[in-house]
Amino acid sequence: QVQLVESGGGVVQPGRSLRLSCAASGLTFSIYGMHWVRQAPGKGLEWVAAISYDGSDKYYADSVKGRFTLSRDNSRNTLYLQMNSLRPEDTAVYYCAKDIQGRVAIDYWGQGTLVAVSS
Amino acid sequence: QSALTQPASVSGSPGQSITISCTGTSSDIGAYNYVSWYQQHPGKAPKLMIYDVTYRPSGVSNRFSGSKSGNTASLTISGLQAEDEADYYCSSYTTTSTRVFGGGTKLTVL
Repeated sequence: QVQLVESGGGVVQPGRSLRLSCAASGLTFSIYGMHWVRQAPGKGLEWVAAISYDGSDKYYADSVKGRFTLSRDNSRNTLYLQMNSLRPEDTAVYYCAKDIQGRVAIDYWGQGTLVAVSS
Repeated sequence: QSALTQPASVSGSPGQSITISCTGTSSDIGAYNYVSWYQQHPGKAPKLMIYDVTYRPSGVSNRFSGSKSGNTASLTISGLQAEDEADYYCSSYTTTSTRVFGGGTKLTVL
């Protein structure tokens, strides 16, 4: 079955960097668009970024543009999110998620990894 | 990239039907038929319930249905059950190739 397992979360000081990873299994990773979506404690979902199946196209929310960079390694079935210049408002559970093949809809989510930005 | 607008809460009794609205703009909901709905129970990852406005993924109950008119999409749940109590989020593709979520609606089954 499909598994998306996030890692790399933790507590970090404002202004520092963190890299999240998402290891995919049970699917042909290289054919799916992938996303990061975050959820601040007690708040709603916020779309963060997306990358096309081959990594050629990347899209970011205005709130993270210029600070976060999305990449993927299809040979390792892994998605990455490099987060720089972190702010307290970036504190959230970060979910890795995949699109339905050929569709514009997220159909499967990992269990998430918590990022806490605090001094 | 403003969030889509959803009511903060809705409620209904078992067996009843409820509808959750999701209002966007001509740059998101009104531009494409790419609206999705997600169910999220506390402490769990979201689950896809509806995609492309009206389509149900395999395994999702036919008590869940979606529709759209102009810049507003709706999720209807018929025959409410206790297990339907959860947070519900709408999402849309946008004209800048990004995605946007609604603020979420807490469904209470009385």
